[in-house]
Amino acid sequence: DIVMTQSPLSLPVTPGEPASISCRSSQSLLNSNGYNYLDWYLQKPGQSPQVLINLGSIRASGVPARFSASGSGTDFTLKITRVEAEDVGLYYCMQALQTPYSFGQGTKLEIK
Amino acid sequence: EVQLAQSGAEVKKPGESLKISCKASGYIFTKYWIAWVRQMPGKGLEWVGVIYPGDSEYRYSPSFQGQVTMSVRKSLNTAYLQWSSLKASDTGIYYCARHVHGGPADYYYMDVWGKGTTVIVSS
Repeated sequence: DIVMTQSPLSLPVTPGEPASISCRSSQSLLNSNGYNYLDWYLQKPGQSPQVLINLGSIRASGVPARFSASGSGTDFTLKITRVEAEDVGLYYCMQALQTPYSFGQGTKLEIK
Repeated sequence: EVQLAQSGAEVKKPGESLKISCKASGYIFTKYWIAWVRQMPGKGLEWVGVIYPGDSEYRYSPSFQGQVTMSVRKSLNTAYLQWSSLKASDTGIYYCARHVHGGPADYYYMDVWGKGTTVIVSS
């Protein structure tokens, strides 16, 4: 099974400042078709998870442009250019290359 | 509007059986996989498995294989997750999510989620 590791696990951020979350996989998520099978999900407090990023870097429909993601192979990063209060929650990376799909431990973003 | 309506919270004793549901609306139920995801108290997300309502093809995570059973009832547009003998370690929130094809071959992701069913197993 593919193991996903995120860092940091806790991320206090001042509103308006940038934030960055790292995700590493135990094996490459780069498919032979050139896409990285890595997604990012956000679980806001008291809510169900929602998809933010597909295939390593493609923002899902309705996701603000302040969210971006990059990386390839085994190392990925989610960035928020200027954090807003509504961005608080748990951020998860998830590999979609092979079953069983697997999530990182989650990164808790909170406002300072 | 695509929606997944999950059944209400359950409180059970160890050894009891349980079946929770996920009713789909707003799309053709038989054409999209349904995924189940667990979140234990204060913990992260765990992928339980997926089932295809069209023909009931399924895939389980090895961690959940033999511990839970996924099923569907096409006539009711409903997916189920069931336990024959609950353990305290089954306590958590169980989400169902629509598992959609995202373009590239064999790429699927979860685009719509239910609100979750809380399962508490305690003596």
